[in-house]
Amino acid sequence: GENVEQHPSTLSVQEGDSAVIKCTYSDSASNYFPWYKQELGKGPQLIIDIRSNVGEKKDQRIAVTLNKTAKHFSLHITETQPEDSAVYFCAAIGGGADGLTFGKGTHLIIQP
Amino acid sequence: NAGVTQTPKFQVLKTGQSMTLQCAQDMNHNSMYWYRQDPGMGLRLIYYSASEGTTDKGEVPNGYNVSRLNKREFSLRLESAAPSQTSVYFCASSHRGPPSNTGELFFGEGSRLTVL
Repeated sequence: GENVEQHPSTLSVQEGDSAVIKCTYSDSASNYFPWYKQELGKGPQLIIDIRSNVGEKKDQRIAVTLNKTAKHFSLHITETQPEDSAVYFCAAIGGGADGLTFGKGTHLIIQP
Repeated sequence: NAGVTQTPKFQVLKTGQSMTLQCAQDMNHNSMYWYRQDPGMGLRLIYYSASEGTTDKGEVPNGYNVSRLNKREFSLRLESAAPSQTSVYFCASSHRGPPSNTGELFFGEGSRLTVL
């Protein structure tokens, strides 16, 4: 089945700086790559996603890039703000029947 | 809209006790899921229901059973709880589901279960 690796597990950045979280996947048949944000005490929420026929997608301060050849995708957050502090999960859907496989998560800390 | 509602939010059990986690969604979604979240382990799929009337095992199904009661409701049962089942459980739903799950998952707020 699909295997998703996510790095780093914890990322601390100064407010206003950029943050990058990286994920790799194993199944070359995977075609959908969402990113979820989980705030403390809440369930994860989708913030952006990308499909395999697109290399990059932006939504205001967040962007996702996909390199199908290398089988990795990344989340980029620019001009970080305190409300960006959360746990971020990447995910991929492979060729199997089980749907989404999640990475282990990145705890993003925005330092004032 | 309430979205995905889980009950209870907190529960403490003794080893060997049984309990059922309830989940309901009001978005008319076809697919529903149960995940567990443990520190450093991310979200792992326990069971899912791609459509009403079907259920399938996910990555970590041992020790659990599920019931898709109707299109809205999907319950998770622990027949004989073990300390290893101490976790935060999330129910989720999506319009489309496996094997071509390319739709957004909507999660509930979680149920924190402690097994002593």
